Amino acid sequence: EDQVTQSPEALRLQEGESSSLNCSYTVSGLRGLFWYRQDPGKGPEFLFTLYSAGEEKEKERLKATLTKKESFLHITAPKPEDSATYLCAVQSSGSARQLTFGSGTQLTVLP
Amino acid sequence: DAGVIQSPRHEVTEMGQEVTLRCKPISGHDSLFWYRQTMMRGLELLIYFNNNVPIDDSGMPEDRFSAKMPNASFSTLKIQPSEPRDSAVYFCASSDTRRGLEAFFGQGTRLTVV
Repeated sequence: EDQVTQSPEALRLQEGESSSLNCSYTVSGLRGLFWYRQDPGKGPEFLFTLYSAGEEKEKERLKATLTKKESFLHITAPKPEDSATYLCAVQSSGSARQLTFGSGTQLTVLP
Repeated sequence: DAGVIQSPRHEVTEMGQEVTLRCKPISGHDSLFWYRQTMMRGLELLIYFNNNVPIDDSGMPEDRFSAKMPNASFSTLKIQPSEPRDSAVYFCASSDTRRGLEAFFGQGTRLTVV
C-alpha cells in the first residue's frame, strides 16, 4: 500500500525566511511524485511533477527535489501570498492512475 | 481553458435525501477522478474513470454512493440516502494521461448533511 507522510504539519515563517517542507513516501514503484498548493475553500492547484531521483523543478520561489525516499519543497524568501497548504502525492505503478495524498503542510508567512 | 467545473459549490441537505454532485472535466482529458476531503482523513480517492469507463471504485464507501460518466464531458456522483457522516468537500479532477500524470482539480462541492 502506498504511503505518504508530510512534515511538519504546520510551519510559520517570517517574510523572507527560507525553509523546506518534507514529503516521505513508500510505494511499489514510483511513476510520479506531485506537489500541489491548496488555498482555503479551493481545490488543489498543481505545481510540479517529479519522475525520478535527482530530478529538480523550479517555479518562482519554489523548488522541488526528489530522492528515492523523499521529496523536499524548498521555499526561498517567501512572501505572505505563499501562505497555503502544500500537498504531496504519489502515483505508483500498482495503483492505475490515482494519486495517494499526504495530509499536507499548512504554511503561514507573516509580513 | 475553463478548468474542471463542479456544481453546486455548496449543498446543504437533510439526512435521508438524495444528493447529486456534477462535474465537467477539462476538454480532451481521458481520465476523471472523484475525491473526498475531510479534516480527519485528508484527500481520499472514491472512483476513477478512464475513457468514461469506471476502472477503480474501491474507494466508494458503501452502496449509498454511485458514480456515472455518460460521456467524456460529464460525470455525476450520487449519494442516496445521505447521512451526516457524508459531510465533506468533494472534488472532481481530470487528467490527460497521454501527456502527463498530473491531475487538475475543480473547486469542489462542500456538502453538509444535517
